[in-house]
Amino acid sequence: ETGVTQTPRHLVMGMTNKKSLKCEQHLGHNAMYWYKQSAKKPLELMFVYSLEERVENNSVPSRFSPECPNSSHLFLHLHTLQPEDSALYLCASSQDPSGSPRGDTQYFGPGTRLTVL
Amino acid sequence: DQQVKQNSPSLSVQEGRISILNCDYTNSMFDYFLWYKKYPAEGPTFLISISSIKDKNEDGRFTVFLNKSAKHLSLHIVPSQPGDSAVYFCAASAHTDKLIFGTGTRLQVFP
Repeated sequence: ETGVTQTPRHLVMGMTNKKSLKCEQHLGHNAMYWYKQSAKKPLELMFVYSLEERVENNSVPSRFSPECPNSSHLFLHLHTLQPEDSALYLCASSQDPSGSPRGDTQYFGPGTRLTVL
Repeated sequence: DQQVKQNSPSLSVQEGRISILNCDYTNSMFDYFLWYKKYPAEGPTFLISISSIKDKNEDGRFTVFLNKSAKHLSLHIVPSQPGDSAVYFCAASAHTDKLIFGTGTRLQVFP
């Protein structure tokens, strides 16, 4: 497996469910990101992890909970979501030599298409 | 307020002709600009970038132009091919800050 992978590719959940999105990068990068893409809106950065530490949380509601157990894996835990949270959730990774993630070239996974009923 | 704007949601170009995708930005602190390409059911893939110290960067059929005084950049694809049909996102960052993306332009290259 190469690049950035995400599972599941599609997810349908009710508002009371708890689910998790998984991202894995095989590029040896030291920073990972979660983005949300809603229809006709720009990609919205949600969380940034550098060297497994969260360095940015972009005012994301607490019903989204990220976890980065190591530099290759990133999870997004979901609970009590709302229908407006339906979107494409993209994971990305990058390599920054300083160890501090910046707006550098990021490599994206294919995304998880989430539908909240 | 959107700092990176792609005002054309779609563009249609004949195969073999030039495709020009435009992007405007408002933050004068942006010093690094990227273009990403996205096919349906796939994540964005990095295409080409340019630093603010340059005004042009070329990679094969793809050339990005940066006009700092106008806060404008453009992506030229020549010659356009049907496989270039995708959504193109412009993104920018200011030094150590996060990437800010535009809303994307859907390019359709027809035979």
